[in-house]
This record gives sequence, structure tokens and C-alpha cells, in this order.
Amino acid sequence: DIQMTQSPSSLSASVGDRVTITCRASQDISNYVAWLQQKPGKAPKSLIYAASSLQSGVPSKFSGSGSGTDFTLTISSLQPEDFATYYCLQYNTHPLTFGGGTKVEIK
Amino acid sequence: QVQLQESGPGLAKPSETLSLTCTVSGGSISRSSNYWGWVRQTPGKGLEWIGSTYYGGFTYYNPSLKSRVTISVDTSKNQFSLKLSSVTAADTAMYYCTRQSAGMVPEYWGRGTLVTVSS
Repeated sequence: DIQMTQSPSSLSASVGDRVTITCRASQDISNYVAWLQQKPGKAPKSLIYAASSLQSGVPSKFSGSGSGTDFTLTISSLQPEDFATYYCLQYNTHPLTFGGGTKVEIK
Repeated sequence: QVQLQESGPGLAKPSETLSLTCTVSGGSISRSSNYWGWVRQTPGKGLEWIGSTYYGGFTYYNPSLKSRVTISVDTSKNQFSLKLSSVTAADTAMYYCTRQSAGMVPEYWGRGTLVTVSS
């Protein structure tokens, strides 16, 4: 299975901060990466697919980049509604595998 | 707008079969080129993809669960289902059904249903 190593596992940030989360794949997965947001008690929500394409309705403050094995999710200006846990997902190879998550907390 | 809703018992006994159903509204399973899948989440193992199916017959399972999992589609009811046999406490989790698009990305999610395995 492809391992997705996400870092950091948690971070504290202030409203307005620029936040970057990284995910490293254990092998080349081209651009087959998605990013998901999950708030407490809720189902995950898909933000980005194909490493950098925004899902419909997702604000442009979210952006993704990377290819091969290294990927990043950036939130340009953190807002109160963005405090959540973020996961990466590789869908290049079965089985699909998720990163361990990054919890973004209020500083 | 596509909506998915999981249903099924919230409690299963060890060694029994867990059965869940996902009802799809706002779109037809059989008129879609999407995959329909299941993901589970536990505090210890995080998010785990269980498997996905396409109404035309292709089904993919996570090898770690393959011997115990069956995912099937009922187009007449616009539903798909999950059966997981020989459950243990390790199968206690929140189970989500998903519609996958853009390759295999889970784009739409149900709200999830908590299944506890306990005698």
C-alpha cells in the first residue's frame, strides 16, 4: 500500500495566518491527490482533487500543489470556519490511502 | 444536489455480519459514471477506504478487508450496500458512504453511521 505521511499532525495558528500542510507519498503518485476537511462530528468534505483543482464551491483561499511524492495544501488567510482537521488522500493506486490528518487549532 | 444517507444497525455482535445501506437522492446510481464507496473512521486508525463499486459491475476492495467485504448496488432502490462479515471490536467505527468522481475522489459523503461491535 502507498503510505501518505502528513505533517504536521497539528498546528496552532491565528485568524489571518497563511497555513501550509504537507503530505508525502511513499512512491510516485503523479497528481492523484485530494485534500479533505473535517470538522468535529461531521463527515469529511472534499476540497481539492488532482493535487490542485478546487471542488465546486470551495473558496479560492484553499490551494494545492505538488506532483510525484510531495504535496501541499495552503490556506491563504485562515478564518474561524477553517479550524478543522485536514487529510490528504492518494487515489493513484488501490487501495486508496489517507494521511493521518492535521488538526488546525486556534492560537 | 446529490445526497447520501447511511442506514443500518448501530450495534453488531462479534463474529456476525455488519450490514449497512446507503440511499442516494438527487441522482441515479445507474445513470451515473461514478463509483460508489464506503470509508470508515476510527480514532486509532483514522480514515480507511473499504471499497468501491460501479453499477456496471466493477468493484474494488481494500485487500486488508477483501476476504470479509461485499459491496453491491440495488438500482431499483437507488441504493448500495456494505456487508462486512466476521466482525470484531476492531471493526467498531464511523462508517461513511461516498460518491466518487474525478478518478476516485470521494466528492459526496453521507453523514456517517456509528457501528459498535460488542456482545
